[in-house]
Amino acid sequence: EAGVVQSPRYKIIEKKQPVAFWCNPISGHNTLYWYRQNLGQGPELLIRYENEEAVDDSQLPKDRFSAERLKGVDSTLKIQPAELGDSAVYLCASSFFRDNSYEQYFGPGTRLTVT
Amino acid sequence: QKEVEQDPGPLSVPEGAIVSLNCTYSNSAFQYFMWYRQYSRKGPELLMYTYSSGNKEDGRFTAQVDKSSKYISLFIRDSQPSDSATYLCAMRFTDKLIFGTGTRLQVFP
Repeated sequence: EAGVVQSPRYKIIEKKQPVAFWCNPISGHNTLYWYRQNLGQGPELLIRYENEEAVDDSQLPKDRFSAERLKGVDSTLKIQPAELGDSAVYLCASSFFRDNSYEQYFGPGTRLTVT
Repeated sequence: QKEVEQDPGPLSVPEGAIVSLNCTYSNSAFQYFMWYRQYSRKGPELLMYTYSSGNKEDGRFTAQVDKSSKYISLFIRDSQPSDSATYLCAMRFTDKLIFGTGTRLQVFP
């Protein structure tokens, strides 16, 4: 079974430019998450989807970040315009409900460098 | 104060050593406790999870939870160079996961 797929793996852009990340979750996983991981830190949740509905976007900087999950499968996270402080690894994860808990499976991440 | 505190290390041990990794937390509402392993330039992968106080063993790994002290540990026995990675503790409340900062472990031959 394929894991969570993310692209691109690496992206270097200049500040003020737009950037988009794509995620394909594990088949059958209804819940999808976007996390940001800064260097030397743990992942921090940006947004969580249940199917195509964003159920927790409280940590998403909505002035420059947007996300969508059309048809409840693939998802795209966009930043426009990017700032130097946005340099981080953006992780996508998906989960299903088992044994009264959700197990999250992470993709390899997209490493963003803003210059 | 962060909800989850974890010593960032780095921790460097010889092959075969017993490794102890620890996290403390402040929110008594956390229900599930996880340990993730993250290799360089990879996403975190779930190692173990538990939802009760006590010990849970899986091969060379033992997860320990003490809810009364708000303290969790991961023990690695007979550590191997392939265990070299960053270990992240994570706590769950409803469907929200809160991660520690991660402890970087290096096991040298």
